[in-house]
Amino acid sequence: QKEVEQDPGPLSVPEGAIVSLNCTYSNSAFQYFMWYRQYSRKGPELLMYTYSSGNKEDGRFTAQVDKSSKYISLFIRDSQPSDSATYLCAMTLTGGGNKLTFGTGTQLKVEL
Amino acid sequence: GAGVSQSPRYKVAKRGQDVALRCDPISGHVSLFWYQQALGQGPEFLTYFQNEAQLDKSGLPSDRFFAERPEGSVSTLKIQRTQQEDSAVYLCASSPGTSGRITEQFFGPGTRLTVL
Repeated sequence: QKEVEQDPGPLSVPEGAIVSLNCTYSNSAFQYFMWYRQYSRKGPELLMYTYSSGNKEDGRFTAQVDKSSKYISLFIRDSQPSDSATYLCAMTLTGGGNKLTFGTGTQLKVEL
Repeated sequence: GAGVSQSPRYKVAKRGQDVALRCDPISGHVSLFWYQQALGQGPEFLTYFQNEAQLDKSGLPSDRFFAERPEGSVSTLKIQRTQQEDSAVYLCASSPGTSGRITEQFFGPGTRLTVL
């Protein structure tokens, strides 16, 4: 079993929908949680970054971390076709050299 | 400003050949990471440099994989005697922080390696 589990999708939604993306993890030592977006044939780019449990909002994006359940989420409001990409959750330990442990990624398509 | 660049973008190798993949990090970034991303999977950590020191190579899958960063800037990932299972996208990321400080990792576009 992988340390970080993520439903690979694909997930297809109409424009304007609210999208919910999720990851579960098994290592309780993870402290920093990130969401990356990866367009086809590009490298991942950081969307959101959260330390420990709680919520963080940035424009149309909200990240949630529930450490007691080892569960993290990313919500996208008013989804746009330009949001079509693969979304990767990632996490890291404190003092672990910052190496990231990624989920498999969820492929999202927002249709007109 | 310039981001992380990688070359070549695409590499086709015959099984058994040696390959060298180059990463040019963002200028001044102390930390450099290599990840391997198989088709349909998330990136998996290979190795980490802080300046020229290779502090973690726990993710290198075999002794055929070797990475260096001799002057603390450009890094090269070398794969000897390539095998079909080495086919993947190899991503390089750089970060301004050190191991004691969590900072954003900026990724390059990757090198897509195909081993025939």
